[in-house]
Amino acid sequence: EVQVVESGGGLVQPGGSLRLSCAASGFTFSNYWMHWVRQAPGMGLVWVSRINSDGSSTSYADSVKGRFTISRDNAKNTLYLQMNSLRGEDTAVYHCARAPAPLKYAMDVWGQGTTVTVSS
Amino acid sequence: DIQMTQSPSSLSASVGDRVTITCRASQSTSNYLNWYQQKPGKAPKLLIYAASSLQSEVPSRFSGSGSGTDFTLTISSLQPEDFATYYCQQTYSIPRTFGQGTKVEI
Repeated sequence: EVQVVESGGGLVQPGGSLRLSCAASGFTFSNYWMHWVRQAPGMGLVWVSRINSDGSSTSYADSVKGRFTISRDNAKNTLYLQMNSLRGEDTAVYHCARAPAPLKYAMDVWGQGTTVTVSS
Repeated sequence: DIQMTQSPSSLSASVGDRVTITCRASQSTSNYLNWYQQKPGKAPKLLIYAASSLQSEVPSRFSGSGSGTDFTLTISSLQPEDFATYYCQQTYSIPRTFGQGTKVEI
């Protein structure tokens, strides 16, 4: 079964750090661009970051640039999001998603998400 | 950044109704436009990619059209399981922006 499963969320104080993981299975992980998308409580979907298939190119939303780092380990079929200097507005469910080129990079496989709560 | 604006933000409909949701981009996205469905507490589900291509295993009552800046998602005959929030998204450029969502309610 093709799937991605996020983990690593939790409660963290403002200014703290957290590392999210996304474990992929059922497909050749190293062939795909991957993304992080977040959704604050009661709000819409917001794109956070993306990484290309070999990890050589990354992009970030302005709201997280300089604080978050996306990376991947293709040998472990795992995507990461290192989140530093966390703020209250980073509170959200964080989803990872696969984005195949033949679908014009639409996100066709999503995880259920991991919840990050930033609060003192 | 390309801004995506959906309308309406919410709508009330009945089973069997034809429903149309529109999405406008602040600049051309060619046909790099996708539609997702999300139910409460669930991950988004890809419905339509490349503006008009139906994702595998998505019912044929869903269709998409448009190119450039103006796009439409149509549900030809609304079913009980279609009550959800729908998002458009452009994948033409970074950042991959989403519309604000359209909630389809009874």
